[in-house]
Amino acid sequence: DQQVKQNSPSLSVQEGRISILNCDYTNSMFDYFLWYKKYPAEGPTFLISISSIKDKNEDGRFTVFLNKSAKHLSLHIVPSQPGDSAVYFCAASASNTNAGKSTFGDGTTLTVKP
Amino acid sequence: GAVVSQHPSWVICKSGTSVKIECRSLDFQATTMFWYRQFPKQSLMLMATSNEGSKATYEQGVEKDKFLINHASLTLSTLTVTSAHPEDSSFYICSARIGGRNNQPQHFGDGTRLSIL
Repeated sequence: DQQVKQNSPSLSVQEGRISILNCDYTNSMFDYFLWYKKYPAEGPTFLISISSIKDKNEDGRFTVFLNKSAKHLSLHIVPSQPGDSAVYFCAASASNTNAGKSTFGDGTTLTVKP
Repeated sequence: GAVVSQHPSWVICKSGTSVKIECRSLDFQATTMFWYRQFPKQSLMLMATSNEGSKATYEQGVEKDKFLINHASLTLSTLTVTSAHPEDSSFYICSARIGGRNNQPQHFGDGTRLSIL
C-alpha cells in the first residue's frame, strides 16, 4: 500500500509558465509534508515544507498548498525556469512516530523548456 | 548550510565482496540518520533508521545481516553491504536531520552507485 502517491511521472512546461506538481496521501496521521528536488547522480535537496496546521506556504517562486480533507498537496513553481528541470519528490511524515521517518512518493520529472 | 557527505560515490566490485559506505554530517550532529535505496525510475525506499549509540531500526523486508549499519558517533553512520551480489546493485543514499525534532527536513548525501559484477 503506497501511502504517498505522485500520479504524474512526468511534466513538461514552457519557461515562464506555472508548473504544478501534485501529491496524494492516504495516512491521516501524516502532519508534515515536504518537497525535495533531485538532479541526476545527486541526493535530493530540500525545497519547501508545510505543516498540517497550515494550508499554504510560500517561498519565493515556490508555493505548497495542502488540502487536508482531500489528502492532497501540490507544489506550484512560478515562473518556471529551465534550471527547475529535475525530479521532484513529495514526502510525508507523522511527528508522533519513531524518529519521524518520511515516506516518499515515486517522484515527478519536471522538464522546463526554454 | 548543513552538509551531508557520502563516500564513496561509486563502487564497482566482484560478487561476494563486502562494501562499506560512509555517511558523515559535516557541520552538525546527527543523532538519527536514514539509509535509502533507489532503483531506476523509482522512489526512495527507506531501508533503516540509524540511531547513534544503539541498534538500527530496519524496515520490513530488509535483511539486517545483509545490510549492517553502525552509527558510532554523532557525525558518522556506515552501511556495509555484506557478501554483495548483482541484485544488490543500486543507488544508496543516506540522510540526516538536524536536532531531534521530527518536523525538520532531511539533508541528503549525494548517494553511492553500487555495481556488483
